[in-house]
Amino acid sequence: DTEVTQTPKHLVMGMTNKKSLKCEQHMGHRAMYWYKQKAKKPPELMFVYSYEKLSINESVPSRFSPECPNSSLLNLHLHALQPEDSALYLCASSQVVEVGNQPQHFGDGTRLSIL
Amino acid sequence: DAKTTQPTSMDCAEGRAANLPCNHSTISGNEYVYWYRQIHSQGPQYIIHGLKNNETNEMASLIITEDRKSSTLILPHATLRDTAVYYCIVRFRYMNYGGSQGNLIFGKGTKLSVKP
Repeated sequence: DTEVTQTPKHLVMGMTNKKSLKCEQHMGHRAMYWYKQKAKKPPELMFVYSYEKLSINESVPSRFSPECPNSSLLNLHLHALQPEDSALYLCASSQVVEVGNQPQHFGDGTRLSIL
Repeated sequence: DAKTTQPTSMDCAEGRAANLPCNHSTISGNEYVYWYRQIHSQGPQYIIHGLKNNETNEMASLIITEDRKSSTLILPHATLRDTAVYYCIVRFRYMNYGGSQGNLIFGKGTKLSVKP
């Protein structure tokens, strides 16, 4: 069982819909991450939050909008997505961002399909 | 680009040790070696990491060569549930804000198949 919880597990949406992905952790971690994983490919970093502030945006299109309302929660708001955005979206957390000695712990992801 | 080289796939008999190699010939003194695995339909699972010394935990052992240019992940008694993609990642010790230094950059990994 993972200590990072992602909901929903599966999501099917049309290109004009607005939806949100949710991620929660209760390990006291102050860094949270969003990754995107296409089928048969490795995960790719999208966003990094450190102490509830966005610190890294890996040139992600604006139709993906992250939000960190508090230290335990991370949301990814979706709007006007394209079929090529269909993927597994993974959330991760670590104690802090600054030190590379802190492992990231991943949730099991939300599998998103865009019709 | 990933800074590691791993075999695309490996097989291992159930109950035997699985030895997964990783080449990281350009590693610097300030970079850790991390191992994650991803079982089908799950998120990546942290296994172990090390800087210079060999490391062991309840899941696996990590053997890093003296020159730090390669490492081996050892699963001492592989089970069918160890079938997964195993990622070897080199990660900088410190993150620079606004840059990619210190990020986890996944390569293609090794597909380990444990067979009965």
